[in-house]
Amino acid sequence: AQTVTQSQPEMSVQEAETVTLSCTYDTSESDYYLFWYKQPPSRQMILVIRQEAYKQQNATENRFSVNFQKAAKSFSLKISDSQLGDAAMYFCAYTGGFKTIFGAGTRLFVKA
Amino acid sequence: DAGVIQSPRHEVTEMGQEVTLRCKPISGHNSLFWYRQTMMRGLELLIYFNNNVPIDDSGMPEDRFSAKMPNASFSTLKIQPSEPRDSAVYFCASSLAGGKHTDTQYFGPGTRLTVL
Repeated sequence: AQTVTQSQPEMSVQEAETVTLSCTYDTSESDYYLFWYKQPPSRQMILVIRQEAYKQQNATENRFSVNFQKAAKSFSLKISDSQLGDAAMYFCAYTGGFKTIFGAGTRLFVKA
Repeated sequence: DAGVIQSPRHEVTEMGQEVTLRCKPISGHNSLFWYRQTMMRGLELLIYFNNNVPIDDSGMPEDRFSAKMPNASFSTLKIQPSEPRDSAVYFCASSLAGGKHTDTQYFGPGTRLTVL
């Protein structure tokens, strides 16, 4: 069965610094997608970044980038130049084999 | 373009009552998902439709929960009878691609359900 694990319930970062959120997953599928979603206090789920498993190149969206290690089944999110607006709950998600699974989330605090 | 629309945004009801949550996916999307979010259990997928057909309903908690998608632009999640433990935020999401793996899911604003 597929699983998604976020081992860091909370993280804290100083404004303008860089932080990395961890995510590991388990699957026997060879073709799948991975995502990071952000949920601010408004509770709206917002896509941050996506990665297709068949692509070796790591996805990047402005200050957000991933480190995708397919063999290790690892999918971490790096936030550079952290801003106060980045404070939110971050969820790692997997879709594959007709399944969609979200991790438990990591709450990110940004200090001014 | 309008995003995923959910109604109502808030629902307060008494135990034993029937509750119906509604969702309008993004036009052109062929996959629709219902999720439940609680502090204890996090974000759980309840059911997934592709082209209006339920593909995976293994997350539906019990027979009190039912979901329908009569056409490509509308879906309902019904709880009958409701119980206090059903209190949660219910999200609907839609995706352009469906099948064995789905692409980006776009979420609605959620419905906060409180069962007294």
